[in-house]
This record gives sequence, C-alpha cells and structure tokens, in this order.
Amino acid sequence: QVQLQQWGAGLLKPSETLSLTCAVYGGSFSGYYWSWIRQPPGKGLEWIGEINHSGSTNYNPSLKSRVTISVDTSKNQFSLKLSSVTAADTAVYYCARGYAPYSSDKKRIYYMDVWGKGTTVTVSS
Amino acid sequence: SSELTQDPAVSVALGQTVRITCQGDSLRSYYASWYQQKPGQAPVLVIYGKNNRPSGIPDRFSGSSSGNTASLTITGAQAEDEADYYCNSRDSSGNHIGVFGGGTKLTVL
Repeated sequence: QVQLQQWGAGLLKPSETLSLTCAVYGGSFSGYYWSWIRQPPGKGLEWIGEINHSGSTNYNPSLKSRVTISVDTSKNQFSLKLSSVTAADTAVYYCARGYAPYSSDKKRIYYMDVWGKGTTVTVSS
Repeated sequence: SSELTQDPAVSVALGQTVRITCQGDSLRSYYASWYQQKPGQAPVLVIYGKNNRPSGIPDRFSGSSSGNTASLTITGAQAEDEADYYCNSRDSSGNHIGVFGGGTKLTVL
C-alpha cells in the first residue's frame, strides 16, 4: 500500500520561501505524476503543480512564477518550493499521486488516488 | 477553459439519492475524478474514469458524464456521506494543468 509522508516548515514570514517535501513509501515512483495541492482556510482545493519521475513539471499558471517542484528519485521524494510568500499562501498543503492511465474511450482519465495527510503552513509577520 | 463549476451546497434526506454535478469545457476531453473531504481530513478519491470506485469505496457511489457535465450520484445516502465533494480533471488546453471545482457541501438530513 502506497503511503505519502510529508513535512516542512509550518510558520513563515512574508517574503520567505515555503519548502515542503513528500516521501513515497511502498510503491513505484515511475509512471505517476507527483502533485502538490493546497487549501486555504475555509476554501476549496487548488492544484499547484506536478512532476514525473524524469523531472518533467507542470505548474498552475497563477503560481508558476513562484513555484518550483523537484524530484529525488534516489530517495523516492519530491519537493515544493514557493517563493515570496504572503498571507494569501496560508493553507494546508497536500502532496498526492496523480495517474493518467490509457483510455480506450474518447475521454482521457486522470485522478489522484493517494494523498498525504497535509501540512498546515501559516504566513504571518 | 480551466474552470470547473459545482453547486456550493446540496442536501439529501437520509437514505435518498442525491446527484452532485460538475460542469466545464475540460470535461469534454477528460472524465472527472471525484473526492470526498471531511473536516480536518485529506481528500479521498471516490470515483475516477468512466465510473470506477477505488477499493473500499461503497457501491452507493457512482459516476457518469455527458458532454461537459460530470455527475456523482450517491444512492441511499448515509449520515457518514456528509462531506465536501470536489471534482477534478486536467485542463483542456493540452498543457496538463490540473483543475478543481469549487466544491459542493453535502448535508444529509
């Protein structure tokens, strides 16, 4: 059973860089999209970005200028960095495993089936 | 378009059937995946693909899609189904950008 364990600093000051890491236990690292999602207090989910095992990334256009997602395949870990944080970046941050299997239908398939427990990040001066 | 639209809130009587919908241009190209989130917990995948349930998800949860609309149906809603439900897909631009709906709060009366 695949599990994701995430960690990182929970309290930041404005302008600092958020840094989180997610470790993958119990499954293959290749063939998936390793993703970050966040949820501000009382609000919905926001997709931040993803990386695959070879290091190819996709980012939310609204965050792209501040986001870097990297991967360390030797440790089965992937990481999120978000620079120049403000109070608007206060949220619970989740890591997740994304998968896009072949579909014989006209529509494609994409889903995130394994999630970390979340890390609360607060930005406050 | 990168938007998925959901009704903010839906209610259902205990044991009855409820449908939660999600609309967006990307759903013409992608099946929606659906996530259940209870307070203080991480989201849990409940439906993916055409109508697939991960192991452990009760069969009262089902999914369907037509055109630009995806639906999550709970047949015989239980008290434990009260939660927020989010739809998700990739953007239809072809750039592999993920997108979530705004979420639907389901109340079981």
